[in-house]
Amino acid sequence: DGGITQSPKYLFRKEGQNVTLSCEQNLNHDAMYWYRQDPGQGLRLIYYSQIVNDFQKGDIAEGYSVSREKKESFPLTVTSAQKNPTAFYLCASSIKGQLLNTEAFFGQGTRLTVV
Amino acid sequence: AQKVTQAQTEISVVEKEDVTLDCVYETRDTTYYLFWYKQPPSGELVFLIRRNSFDEQNEISGRYSWNFQKSTSSFNFTITASQVVDSAVYFCALSEAGDSNYQLIWGAGTKLIIKP
Repeated sequence: DGGITQSPKYLFRKEGQNVTLSCEQNLNHDAMYWYRQDPGQGLRLIYYSQIVNDFQKGDIAEGYSVSREKKESFPLTVTSAQKNPTAFYLCASSIKGQLLNTEAFFGQGTRLTVV
Repeated sequence: AQKVTQAQTEISVVEKEDVTLDCVYETRDTTYYLFWYKQPPSGELVFLIRRNSFDEQNEISGRYSWNFQKSTSSFNFTITASQVVDSAVYFCALSEAGDSNYQLIWGAGTKLIIKP
């Protein structure tokens, strides 16, 4: 079945470590996105990519990095520079990069906890 | 500035009751889209509806209905005869034409609890 797969579902990180969250889609979508969700808040955009080998910062990119070497994959690295990384991370994709008139499809998320 | 407000943090009703989730938005654009997404306990967001700014017709899909009123900048969501499976967090979101059309502006979400 087509969809978006995020792994792992739960991730624990020690302070000072970098960790990478995986996001893979087989929907043949051009655009992919990473969001962060904190309790009681809406989703905030970290990074997005409208095409392979290109990506743009969202509202809260500091302390994060991404790559888009393949259309299907958009991994997110949470670096040690991210001071408050404990959150729920959601990956999404859409047919086009313009979310004005197209829906986004979401993965099941990764819950990251700093220990 | 663009903004989406979902004033109801949490709503709890008994099964079979009707329930309305409120969404109020702010935008300066005349062309925009409004969305509702459902986030069940499993975590992924599920698309429910998209409505463009030029179409104020109300929409009904089974037990779900949406009331879009530009005069009050609202896009409210009603579930009729609620069921336990409707329990989830529901998000309203806005996408505008213009430079930022890659963005969805999200409300904070409303947690809906349907008690059996």
